[in-house]
Amino acid sequence: QKEVEQNSGPLSVPEGAIASLNCTYSDRVSQSFFWYRQYSGKSPELIMSIYSNGDKEDGRFTAQLNKASQYVSLLIRDSQPSDSATYLCAVTRGNTPLVFGKGTRLSVIA
Amino acid sequence: KAGVTQTPRYLIKTRGQQVTLSCSPISGHRSVSWYQQTPGQGLQFLFEYFSETQRNKGNFPGRFSGRQFSNSRSEMNVSTLELGDSALYLCASSFEGAPGELFFGEGSRLTVL
Repeated sequence: QKEVEQNSGPLSVPEGAIASLNCTYSDRVSQSFFWYRQYSGKSPELIMSIYSNGDKEDGRFTAQLNKASQYVSLLIRDSQPSDSATYLCAVTRGNTPLVFGKGTRLSVIA
Repeated sequence: KAGVTQTPRYLIKTRGQQVTLSCSPISGHRSVSWYQQTPGQGLQFLFEYFSETQRNKGNFPGRFSGRQFSNSRSEMNVSTLELGDSALYLCASSFEGAPGELFFGEGSRLTVL
């Protein structure tokens, strides 16, 4: 059973701080890794994808991947109240379906 | 560019009834996936269609079925509804070259009484 594990939170950070969201996965041959953001009452939206070990930066967001440790993380710099949402980690390989974690709820306190 | 459109947005059914949900993908996207989202289980994969063929199927009972039409629009059907089928049903489309980059519709919220 392929699994993706996330701490459910809530993770509370003050405005302007760095939020660190973590995810582990069980399928060692996973190839593609994604972070989706879901605001309350809305559908998920893709914010980051990462395919190789290391860091990938996009604006205030940095995704980090360590395949040896089966670990992927998302850093949000200069966190804003508008970043308050549930962040879903998702993993796949080839054309297999995306497997989602249950998400981490982030709350950015002004 | 229009996003993924799902209808109906909300519906209430009673146990034993059946329901059909519809999804229109983003123009040019030929892959359509369906997910069930509940507070306890999170996002659970139902099935994926590509060019009118079911490419992947999740671990759901046979009461859950789907299909895709030649214009890439997709429908899913749930027969003999149970209370536990109450959930948000999300449809997502993707471009063939980026299978994990899903674009979700707003979902169909099903309540079974």
